[in-house]
Amino acid sequence: AQKVTQAQTEISVVEKEDVTLDCVYETRDTTYYLFWYKQPPSGELVFLIRRNSFDEQNEISGRYSWNFQKSTSSFNFTITASQVVDSAVYFCALSRYSSASKIIFGSGTRLSIRP
Amino acid sequence: EAQVTQNPRYLITVTGKKLTVTCSQNMNHEYMSWYRQDPGLGLRQIYYSMNVEVTDKGDVPEGYKVSRKEKRNFPLILESPSPNQTSLYFCASGGTGGIYEQYFGPGTRLTVT
Repeated sequence: AQKVTQAQTEISVVEKEDVTLDCVYETRDTTYYLFWYKQPPSGELVFLIRRNSFDEQNEISGRYSWNFQKSTSSFNFTITASQVVDSAVYFCALSRYSSASKIIFGSGTRLSIRP
Repeated sequence: EAQVTQNPRYLITVTGKKLTVTCSQNMNHEYMSWYRQDPGLGLRQIYYSMNVEVTDKGDVPEGYKVSRKEKRNFPLILESPSPNQTSLYFCASGGTGGIYEQYFGPGTRLTVT
């Protein structure tokens, strides 16, 4: 069975602090895909990143970085020098490579950045 | 403009009155999916479709039906809505097999009384 766990329900930090959102996944597949999505207060869901199971390189995009570690089944997301606009709910998701692909989302982490 | 549209955006209905939420995408995506979002539970997949006439159950399919007669449309049907189906619903589309990023519609907030 596939599962995605985001143990941090809510995080609150002061602006300019660094913050890491944890994502731990379970799957028996050797080929799978991991995603992060952002849901700002306006409610829409925005894609942030996709990573396949064969690519363990960390990725950096501006203030955002992602640390994928297969050994610990984790795909953590770090925001450096957080800003108020980063306030949102962040979801981690897992998709298998298959002829029929369910997609499993974590329960989300609500991030609040205080000015 | 590439987008996923859903209608209606808000709906209040009564128990047992059949309803359909429409979803349409203009990106020629093969994969389409419906999710419900409930507090503390994140997004849960209801049904997905790998292509026209190919649909399959997600994790919470009970009480819902879907059809995929055309590539661009993927309506969600509630034959006999119940209060436990009160939720925020999202339609999404993406590339082949659901292994690519998904583009989400704006959401439909459904209340069943």
